[in-house]
Order: sequence, then structure tokens, then C-alpha cells
Amino acid sequence: LAKTTQPISMDSYEGQEVNITCSHNNIATNDYITWYQQFPSQGPRFIIQGYKTKVTNEVASLFIPADRKSSTLSLPRVSLSDTAVYYCLVGDMSDNFNKFYFGSGTKLNVKP
Amino acid sequence: NAGVMQNPRHLVRRRGQEARLRCSPMKGHSHVYWYRQLPEEGLKFMVYLQKENIIDESGMPKERFSAEFPKEGPSILRIQQVVRGDSAAYFCASSPTGMDSPLHFGNGTRLTVT
Repeated sequence: LAKTTQPISMDSYEGQEVNITCSHNNIATNDYITWYQQFPSQGPRFIIQGYKTKVTNEVASLFIPADRKSSTLSLPRVSLSDTAVYYCLVGDMSDNFNKFYFGSGTKLNVKP
Repeated sequence: NAGVMQNPRHLVRRRGQEARLRCSPMKGHSHVYWYRQLPEEGLKFMVYLQKENIIDESGMPKERFSAEFPKEGPSILRIQQVVRGDSAAYFCASSPTGMDSPLHFGNGTRLTVT
């Protein structure tokens, strides 16, 4: 499994755009990049997944450069309710099992 | 469509007792994963099961821990002779096809060993 590195924490203010970058230098050809969000006392919730270039959904955008050694989760106009821990996972989609490793994640604190 | 259901939400056990944690996957999902999360830490993979089969248990301690996902009924994570170090949140996730679909998580069981 590719190891990932994320900032431990980030602060932001309501209405700002937040970009959280994840490094995964050892990403393999078959690996996908997936981001999850976790609120206190809840299980993680899937946000977005991508393989290369850019992916956008109603919640976030995911930017992946050509070398795929990093990725950036972009949250537009955050609100207080976006305060959570964000996990970047890199997994081998060709294996017949899934044991994505959740690191410590990035604790995002959105202030009023 | 109900999400992944875990029960109980909170479980208190004395040292030496057994803990049984239950997980009902989302309807139509036949792949179940268990994770453990210690306070202020990320989730650590424990075991991956499909109906009646353990596919990967490489993250599960060799002793005292076991998991099953029978043909009928929920998946069970069983911890025998619990110790204080077993206190953690245990999350279950399910997916319809395994590695090519996102995981859907339950809200976890918080185990406290006194």
C-alpha cells in the first residue's frame, strides 16, 4: 500500500476555499486516491475518488497532477459544519481485497 | 435504504469478559470490513470478510479476536477475555463489490474495558 502524508491540522474561516494536500510518492499504477470525512463519534464518509487529473462532485474537487505523487482535496466555501478530520487513502484497485489504511488524517477547524 | 448498522453503540466490559460487536451491512452489500480506532488516531484495518469467508485478517490480533460473516445475519467481531488496551471505537464498513467501490461506514461501537 502506498503511504500517505497529510498535514496534521488546518484552520480556516467560513466562506473560504480550503485545499488539503496529500503526498503519496510511492503510488502504484493501479492505485486510486480516495478521500473520506469523519465527524466526531461517527464513521468516515466517502467524499471523492479519482485516478488522475481532476474530479468534481457536489461536495468537493480532487486535483491530481500528472505524476500522481500528490493530490489536493478542495472544499469550496467551507462552513462550520465542515469541521472534521479528512483522510486521504491510496489503494490498489486490482487486488481482490480492500485494506485501505487510514492515517491520522487532517483535522480541519473552520472558524466563524 | 438503511445504512450500515452497528450495535451496540456503546459497550462496557470488565477485564476478562467477552465483547461481541455486530454489523449489518447495507442492503445488497456482501463485503464487510472491520476497523479499530484509538482516541486521536486514524482507523486501522482489522479484517475483510465476504459472506461465510474471511478474505484477509492480516490486521487482526492473532489471539482473542475473531470475526465471522455468516450466510444469514450480521457480521460479528468477537473479542474474548478483553483487556484495557482493547478499549477503542470499532467501525464496520461495507461495499457491494469490494475494491472498486467506496466503503460505507457505520457509526461504530465504542468499547470501554474497565
